[in-house]
Amino acid sequence: NAGVTQTPKFQVLKTGQSMTLQCAQDMNHEYMSWYRQDPGMGLRLIHYSVGAGITDQGEVPNGYNVSRSTTEDFPLRLLSAAPSQTSVYFCASTLYDRGNSPLHFGNGTRLTVT
Amino acid sequence: GQQLNQSPQSMFIQEGEDVSMNCTSSSIFNTWLWYKQDPGEGPVLLIALYKAGELTSNGRLTAQFGITRKDSFLNISASIPSDVGIYFCAGRNFGDSNYQLIWGAGTKLIIKP
Repeated sequence: NAGVTQTPKFQVLKTGQSMTLQCAQDMNHEYMSWYRQDPGMGLRLIHYSVGAGITDQGEVPNGYNVSRSTTEDFPLRLLSAAPSQTSVYFCASTLYDRGNSPLHFGNGTRLTVT
Repeated sequence: GQQLNQSPQSMFIQEGEDVSMNCTSSSIFNTWLWYKQDPGEGPVLLIALYKAGELTSNGRLTAQFGITRKDSFLNISASIPSDVGIYFCAGRNFGDSNYQLIWGAGTKLIIKP
């Protein structure tokens, strides 16, 4: 199994550009989530999904959209990139939403907005 | 909002030394987790703690869920070069889901040559 796969690994955008960060998992996990990691701070939840067709906002959703058309894929869209969105983005999945079910993370996308 | 204080921010140690780091919270947690992140990769779960007072080991790593439920500790014994990385604590509130964690800012472990 590949686990959680994120693409691209690096991306540079100009302010106002849009892009989609891809995330796919092959573990048949229902629960998927997106986080951003900024220096000196813990991971912050952007959006999450509890199954195909169901998404919801996390702690810092502004400026990001998500969709979940299949169990495997959970793309994150930046509609109009801003310098404040410069960060490392992680996608994760988990089998259950409670109990002993760890988060499995991808290797991240490092995004720079100029 | 709920905050986690993780200390130290970074540690320079000699190979073979023991390492200790901790996290404290402004309120109680139902679960404490410790993750490690290697450069260019995502965090990987090391130890999960589900009960106040619980002491759990994973090889040379030992973590404890504080009695007050507001803190947790991670110890690494006899450090080796592959221990280098960033260690994160994370807490989960009762009723929250596994993806709704509160994360510490990380402890960066560096081994002196």
